[in-house]
Amino acid sequence: GENVEQHPSTLSVQEGDSAVIKCTYSDSASNYFPWYKQELGKRPQLIIDIRSNVGEKKDQRIAVTLNKTAKHFSLHITETQPEDSAVYFCSLPQAGTALIFGKGTTLSVSS
Amino acid sequence: EPEVTQTPSHQVTQMGQEVILRCVPISNHLYFYWYRQILGQKVEFLVSFYNNEISEKSEIFDDQFSVERPDGSNFTLKIRSTKLEDSAMYFCASTGDRNTGELFFGEGSRLTVL
Repeated sequence: GENVEQHPSTLSVQEGDSAVIKCTYSDSASNYFPWYKQELGKRPQLIIDIRSNVGEKKDQRIAVTLNKTAKHFSLHITETQPEDSAVYFCSLPQAGTALIFGKGTTLSVSS
Repeated sequence: EPEVTQTPSHQVTQMGQEVILRCVPISNHLYFYWYRQILGQKVEFLVSFYNNEISEKSEIFDDQFSVERPDGSNFTLKIRSTKLEDSAMYFCASTGDRNTGELFFGEGSRLTVL
């Protein structure tokens, strides 16, 4: 089945810095790439997604880029704030319908 | 705003006991899922359910697990004979679009097996 690798597993930045998290996948048929944020003790929530017909999508301080040739997609957070501290999961649909998730990146933003 | 609701929020059980976790998906959604998250680890897919039957399941979803939609609103996960390693947070999720739709998660049910 589909596999998704996520790096780094932990990321520590200073407030105001940028953070980048990258995921690579194996199935070239994948066409939907969402990112979920999970705050401590909470449920995962969608923060941004991208479909395969575009290379980049932005939503305020968050952006996602997709390179279908290289089979990787990345989450970019600019001007990080302490409330961005959370675990971030990339995901994509496996062969059927269900999303599978990367191992997660714990982002810590210190002020 | 509609949301997925789950009960109980926390259940403690003895090894070997049966456990039923309950979920009420968002009312106009047709695709339902159970995921599991062992503490500090990633969110793992267990099973998807559509049109009153299982559409996919992972290797984790063995014969000890079953799902059911007993009425028009509830979606349940049953673990027949719990093991210590079943201790985890179990998330129910639903979506209205299985291919490119947002997955809405419930707040989770924490299962502790002693």
